[in-house]
Amino acid sequence: NAGVTQTPKFQVLKTGQSMTLQCAQDMNHEYMSWYRQDPGMGLRLIHYSVGAGITDQGEVPNGYNVSRSTTEDFPLRLLSAAPSQTSVYFCASSWGQGFGGYGYTFGSGTRLTVV
Amino acid sequence: GENVEQHPSTLSVQEGDSAVIKCTYSDSASNYFPWYKQELGKGPQLIIDIRSNVGEKKDQRIAVTLNKTAKHFSLHITETQPEDSAVYFCAARVTGGTSYGKLTFGQGTILTVHP
Repeated sequence: NAGVTQTPKFQVLKTGQSMTLQCAQDMNHEYMSWYRQDPGMGLRLIHYSVGAGITDQGEVPNGYNVSRSTTEDFPLRLLSAAPSQTSVYFCASSWGQGFGGYGYTFGSGTRLTVV
Repeated sequence: GENVEQHPSTLSVQEGDSAVIKCTYSDSASNYFPWYKQELGKGPQLIIDIRSNVGEKKDQRIAVTLNKTAKHFSLHITETQPEDSAVYFCAARVTGGTSYGKLTFGQGTILTVHP
């Protein structure tokens, strides 16, 4: 099924550990982004990419790193996990400018707990 | 940057009643307004969207209205059913030209439909 695939679904980390959240889409979308969802805060943008080799910071980028070497993949790296990074992380993709439809397609999320 | 405010944060209705969720946005350049439904343990799913050149859009029991002058838009659900119970997010995005436009979300509304 076409869509956005996130792995893992659940992860527990110890403070100071690093890890990579994986995101892949098979819709040839140009635009990909990472959001975190916290209670009462809605969805906040961490990083986004408008195409392979191009990334930029969102609203809450500190402590996270991204790269986009292919159109399909957009991994999110936690450099040194902190309890404040306990959250649910969503990857989303969409067409860029010039294509029909601007709605995002979301993955099913990664629930991360940092202890 | 864009700021989207969403109200109410929680909404409880009886089955068959109507539900209305309201959002305001700050950036007059925003021209695309989607609504997402998020069920427990899943990623948000696009349910309806509206462009700024349209004042109202309807899809079966769901409708969205947009007032560009006042910079607010609303989601209307008629004849609510228990399966409408979920978290609903509004969002705003600038599309067109050379800007890919980040999607900015409201804080979310927890809708509960009682049988």
